[in-house]
Amino acid sequence: NAGVTQTPKFQVLKTGQSMTLQCAQDMNHEYMSWYRQDPGMGLRLIHYSVGAGITDQGEVPNGYNVSRSTTEDFPLRLLSAAPSQTSVYFCASSYSLAAGYEQYFGPGTRLTVT
Amino acid sequence: AQSVAQPEDQVNVAEGNPLTVKCTYSVSGNPYLFWYVQYPNRGLQFLLKYITGDNLVKGSYGFEAEFNKSQTSFHLKKPSALVSDSALYFCAVRSNTGKLIFGQGTTLQVKP
Repeated sequence: NAGVTQTPKFQVLKTGQSMTLQCAQDMNHEYMSWYRQDPGMGLRLIHYSVGAGITDQGEVPNGYNVSRSTTEDFPLRLLSAAPSQTSVYFCASSYSLAAGYEQYFGPGTRLTVT
Repeated sequence: AQSVAQPEDQVNVAEGNPLTVKCTYSVSGNPYLFWYVQYPNRGLQFLLKYITGDNLVKGSYGFEAEFNKSQTSFHLKKPSALVSDSALYFCAVRSNTGKLIFGQGTTLQVKP
């Protein structure tokens, strides 16, 4: 199993540009989520999905969109990048967070917006 | 409000000494509690969890954690620290809406 994979590893964007961060998992997990990690703030939930076709907002959803057309993939779209979106982004998946199963994390995407 | 607090930004211990990384939580009902570790430039790795049962939970790499309902705490412990344990540790609790709430993280520094 590859686990949770994320691409790209690094990305530099100019203000106003858009891009998609890719996330895929091969564990047949229903629950997938996106977090951003900023120094001193832990991980903050951006969006999550409890299954294909179902998405919902997390703590910091503004400026981001998601979709879940398959169980395996959960891309995160930045609509119009802003310097405040400079961060490290992690995708994670779980068999069922509601039932107490742990999450598996991808290696992260380091995004810089200039 | 549902939350997790890790009161120490950094914990320093000497190799071979016991270590404790503190975590307290606030959530109604029975909590699901987790510890994760993050090594530099890597994603988070699951260490252990408490769902129900014995208050002392054992996990990966010799770590354990003690659930204390009266003190709403879930401190991470290890009897003998290794230099390779140096990393960033996160405590998390599952909220009543099924999401994971993370603490701010505690950097563990183990000196030889």
